[in-house]
Amino acid sequence: NAGVMQNPRHLVRRRGQEARLRCSPMKGHSHVYWYRQLPEEGLKFMVYLQKENIIDESGMPKERFSAEFPKEGPSILRIQQVVRGDSAAYFCASSPRDRANYGYTFGSGTRLTVV
Amino acid sequence: DAKTTQPTSMDCAEGRAANLPCNHSTISGNEYVYWYRQIHSQGPQYIIHGLKNNETNEMASLIITEDRKSSTLILPHATLRDTAVYYCIVLIQGAQKLVFGQGTRLTINP
Repeated sequence: NAGVMQNPRHLVRRRGQEARLRCSPMKGHSHVYWYRQLPEEGLKFMVYLQKENIIDESGMPKERFSAEFPKEGPSILRIQQVVRGDSAAYFCASSPRDRANYGYTFGSGTRLTVV
Repeated sequence: DAKTTQPTSMDCAEGRAANLPCNHSTISGNEYVYWYRQIHSQGPQYIIHGLKNNETNEMASLIITEDRKSSTLILPHATLRDTAVYYCIVLIQGAQKLVFGQGTRLTINP
């Protein structure tokens, strides 16, 4: 298992287009978290998902952003009608059920650039 | 989750031990201390975590004071590749998410 896999590594979108970011958790991990890091800023929590369920989306912008973690396949973070302010690094992390005894493992991120 | 306080930045010479402090004076009995780091442009990397006892692994040691109000992450022989932002996070058992603060920007100098 190569760890948490995110793709694409780099994504360029024009204003108004849609961006889809994918995250495949580590084998055996059933919890997925998405974070956003704006340029020169810290990591901000966006959403926490388990298979087929959104558990906590308190950090998600109210419009244009959505996330899913289907029964089969990767977790998807979707940004509709992107704007320049969406340019950031988006990181996904996964954890097993017993989170307190195991660290959260992060992927290498997707760097979204909106032009 | 309890709040943590870390110095904004620190420097350390290559080959020396880097000691990164963290204050968490409001920590409660069932909250763990986690350390992560983020090397430039990469995803955060788990380093170590502990509850009460000191912990050591292949990356670092974690020293937690007896009253648990503070802790120190020790990188015993710092290398240039240890230059990163280091985050101290206090997390209740079963918590649903990590909340990152500003961290400490550690620079290892040759």
